[in-house]
Amino acid sequence: DARVTQTPRHKVTEMGQEVTMRCQPILGHNTVFWYRQTMMQGLELLAYFRNRAPLDDSGMPKDRFSAEMPDATLATLKIQPSEPRDSAVYFCASGLVGGLAPFFGPGTRLTVL
Amino acid sequence: GEDVEQSLFLSVREGDSSVINCTYTDSSSTYLYWYKQEPGAGLQLLTYIFSNMDMKQDQRLTVLLNKKDKHLSLRIADTQTGDSAIYFCAESDTSGTYKYIFGTGTRLKVLA
Repeated sequence: DARVTQTPRHKVTEMGQEVTMRCQPILGHNTVFWYRQTMMQGLELLAYFRNRAPLDDSGMPKDRFSAEMPDATLATLKIQPSEPRDSAVYFCASGLVGGLAPFFGPGTRLTVL
Repeated sequence: GEDVEQSLFLSVREGDSSVINCTYTDSSSTYLYWYKQEPGAGLQLLTYIFSNMDMKQDQRLTVLLNKKDKHLSLRIADTQTGDSAIYFCAESDTSGTYKYIFGTGTRLKVLA
């Protein structure tokens, strides 16, 4: 049963701390998306990778956020330093270029105190 | 840029039909999608429609597409309490980047 996995599922941290969220896309998928969901903004696209190369990260605050794909089985989203306004659920999704819609992971719920 | 809009809330009685509406801006979208998000969970693809279709039916779900007005709707027949969730409309940008743009989501509440 292929699925996108994300770790951790929940993270509580203090303002100023570094946060790293991890995602394992479905094997064989060549696109990876990071979305952030908040009550106020809904679902926002933060970053998008194709074949491990970043294609679009215009939705991401560049001063504190960074996204990488060190290999085809791992995508990371890092926040340094974290702020209370970063509290949200962060979703990773993977798919195939030209394929149907991406498959979403269960999300990482981040709370920054 | 691309934009997808939905109403925020919908409340229906169990057994009634629900209609969730969505408007989008990218006329080049090839596929339009409906996702369902249950509490505490990720988004799950519910159904989709190809842009050259007007309608697609899948059991209790009917998707209607009005390409001229860029309007998409999802009808759920015989709505059940288990249908209570947030429903997202999404379009794919086929200009080359294959980004997926999501609406704000419609929170459906089914009253017993």
